[in-house]
Amino acid sequence: GDSVTQMEGPVTLSEEAFLTINCTYTATGYPSLFWYVQYPGEGLQLLLKATKADDKGSNKGFEATYRKETTSFHLEKGSVQVSDSAVYFCALTGTGRRALTFGSGTRLQVQP
Amino acid sequence: GAGVSQSPRYKVAKRGQDVALRCDPISGHVSLFWYQQALGQGPEFLTYFQNEAQLDKSGLPSDRFFAERPEGSVSTLKIQRTQQEDSAVYLCASSLDRIPGGQPQHFGDGTRLSIL
Repeated sequence: GDSVTQMEGPVTLSEEAFLTINCTYTATGYPSLFWYVQYPGEGLQLLLKATKADDKGSNKGFEATYRKETTSFHLEKGSVQVSDSAVYFCALTGTGRRALTFGSGTRLQVQP
Repeated sequence: GAGVSQSPRYKVAKRGQDVALRCDPISGHVSLFWYQQALGQGPEFLTYFQNEAQLDKSGLPSDRFFAERPEGSVSTLKIQRTQQEDSAVYLCASSLDRIPGGQPQHFGDGTRLSIL
């Protein structure tokens, strides 16, 4: 079945540091890929998405590129802020499916 | 409100009791999903509705779990004879789409269920 693997946290960075959170997936066909974010005390929010190979999703300074050859969708941001502290989830919807398959989440802590 | 609304936010029940969790999706959203999120884990799919039709219930862990959406709007997830392993956050999500992978899913804040 479909699965998502993402790097374990917590990831601790200083403000203005460069962020990468790795995500790889296993799925047949052409899944759609997503990053969701959960800020403290809040619900899951869609951060960005990509629906086909080589698409780049971007939002709030975050980017991720759909790499079919490496089955990856790594999340990056050039300069993190304290307000980016949250749990980040990589997810996919498999071909012909509507349900999301999530990774286990990566907690990001940004220190001032 | 404009978002997905879930109630109650917190539910404590004794082992063996039945519980009912409610989800009020965004108005006009066709698709509704239930997920279970254990502590420190990502959400796991339970079941999916398109309008009032339950099209996928492959994620329900046992026949103690039952979901309904009788009028294609509000949905209820019911757990009978609760067990300690049912303790988790139950998330509801809705989306506009009828097409797989199309519109994003919008999540509620969840119901945190604790079974004593």
